[in-house]
Amino acid sequence: NAGVTQTPKFQVLKTGQSMTLQCAQDMNHEYMSWYRQDPGMGLRLIHYSVGAGITDQGEVPNGYNVSRSTTEDFPLRLLSAAPSQTSVYFCASSYWDSDTQYFGPGTRLTVL
Amino acid sequence: GENVEQHPSTLSVQEGDSAVIKCTYSDSASNYFPWYKQELGKRPQLIIDIRSNVGEKKDQRIAVTLNKTAKHFSLHITETQPEDSAVYFCAAGGGSQGNLIFGKGTKLSVKP
Repeated sequence: NAGVTQTPKFQVLKTGQSMTLQCAQDMNHEYMSWYRQDPGMGLRLIHYSVGAGITDQGEVPNGYNVSRSTTEDFPLRLLSAAPSQTSVYFCASSYWDSDTQYFGPGTRLTVL
Repeated sequence: GENVEQHPSTLSVQEGDSAVIKCTYSDSASNYFPWYKQELGKRPQLIIDIRSNVGEKKDQRIAVTLNKTAKHFSLHITETQPEDSAVYFCAAGGGSQGNLIFGKGTKLSVKP
């Protein structure tokens, strides 16, 4: 199993550009989530999904959209990038919310 | 919603000493408490977890204790080694919000 994969590993955007961060898992996990990690702030939940077709907002959802059309994939979209979205983004998956979450390798995003 | 406080934010110990990191949570419905270790530039990885029906759990040099009444849980690392140096995150899940909320992390440095 590849586990949780994320692409790209690094990305530089200009303010106002849009992009999609990809996340996929091959463990048949129902629960998937996106976190951002900033220095001194820990891991903050952006959006999560409890299954295909179901998504919900986390602690810091503004400026991000998600969709879950399949069990395997959970892309995160930045509609109009802002410097405040410079961060490291982690995708995670688990069988359910109160279970071991497996993290992807992360995407380091810089918005100029 | 759930709020997780973690202390201390930094911890420096001599090799061979013990290290203790403490977390408190606010949602009494939370029932799952994992601890993650994150090395520099890497993804968070689960090192131990505990559920609310257990008061203590051990795995070699690592132990976690849970006090449901006081709503706090702690990570204990004995006989610390330089490779234990990393950032450690606690989290609480399974509560009314239905997702995992992380503390802000503790940077542990083990000096040889």
